[in-house]
Parts: sequence; structure tokens; C-alpha cells
Amino acid sequence: GAVVSQHPSRVICKSGTSVKIECRSLDFQATTMFWYRQFPKQSLMLMATSNEGSKATYEQGVEKDKFLINHASLTLSTLTVTSAHPEDSSFYICSARTSGRTYEQYFGPGTRLTVT
Amino acid sequence: AQSVSQHNHHVILSEAASLELGCNYSYGGTVNLFWYVQYPGQHLQLLLKYFSGDPLVKGIKGFEAEFIKSKFSFNLRKPSVQWSDTAEYFCASLGGTSYGKLTFGQGTILTVHP
Repeated sequence: GAVVSQHPSRVICKSGTSVKIECRSLDFQATTMFWYRQFPKQSLMLMATSNEGSKATYEQGVEKDKFLINHASLTLSTLTVTSAHPEDSSFYICSARTSGRTYEQYFGPGTRLTVT
Repeated sequence: AQSVSQHNHHVILSEAASLELGCNYSYGGTVNLFWYVQYPGQHLQLLLKYFSGDPLVKGIKGFEAEFIKSKFSFNLRKPSVQWSDTAEYFCASLGGTSYGKLTFGQGTILTVHP
């Protein structure tokens, strides 16, 4: 149980285009989802927290107009990187948490974004 | 702000060697502590967690960790590693001013030679 999927696993896009990454909880309802960014040889940095049906809360330094997060249902959250630039190339990971198990997050496999 | 630090970036061991990965956290209040593992090409998986009670926590695959409040530490240990333990290990904390959010350490890459 507690499986989280991400799609796509890898995406290459041209500079200036937008890319959407999906995060799904497959067998549980995720009241809260988190989006992280991981640079090579570095730790996971939290970008934003999204609660179903409400606006995402962004961490300091994360541009909310560039990284659009939508959490429209209890099983799906999306991250859209708008007007992507090469410096946005990174590994994006989502995690999901249920209301009943406040402290445990389940992680998706990640999405490798390369902007050319 | 809350922080988590892991002392070693890359640890190389031979099979059957004992393992200890260091982790220190900064927050002095109540914290919940976790160790996650990321095998090559796979997603993060929970190894073990500490919320309260017995400071020696046992996790999956023979791993354990000890919470030492006076040292702000939560080191991960395994008495005898296997080649299949090759992975990246992350320590994380939950608590303090970052309620509900995990703060991760930098990660430690463990390479086990057969």
C-alpha cells in the first residue's frame, strides 16, 4: 500500500516552453502533497506544500508564478514549470501524506526534467 | 531555521563490515526523526522513524538508529552490510517551526563492495 506515482519519469523540453508533472497517490487519499527539488549530489529541497482544494504554500525563494501547483483532487497534484529555462533542469520529487497518518510521507519516483 | 546535517557524503565499505552513518539535527524541542533510503533508480523509502519512547529504533533490513537527545544525534547503524545496501541514505526531521514539513540532510552515498 501507500504507492505514489509520477508522470512522466523523464522529460526534455526546449527553453521557454511549459512542462506539467503529475503526482498521483494510487491507493490512498492524499490530503497533503509536497513537491521537492533535488540537485545532483544535494539533498531534497522542499518547494511547496499543497492541500487538496486550496492554494499551495510555497517555500521562501520559490517563484509561485513559475512553479504552478494544483491539487484538485485527493489523488492528484500537478506541478507545471512555466517558461522553463536550463537552470530549471533538475529532479523533481513529490510526496503524499494522508490525514490519518500525519507524520509519514510516501514518495514518488521522481521526474528528471532537462531544459535545452 | 531547523537543519539536519549528515557528516559523510560518501562511505565505502566491504561486505560484512559494520556501518554507522551520522546525523545531527538542530531543533531542541520535540522532533520526529526519520531515515530514508534511495536505491539506484528507485524512489525514497522509509527505513525507520523515531517519534518517542525507546531511543533505539529498529527498522527494516536490519537497520537501527539511536536517538541521543543530549547530542542532537540520530545515527544509523547496521552490524553487517550487504552489497544490496548500496544506496543513498537521507536523515530527516519533522517538527519545530517547520511543522508538517520534512527537513532533509545532505544525504550519504553508501557503496558496498562484494
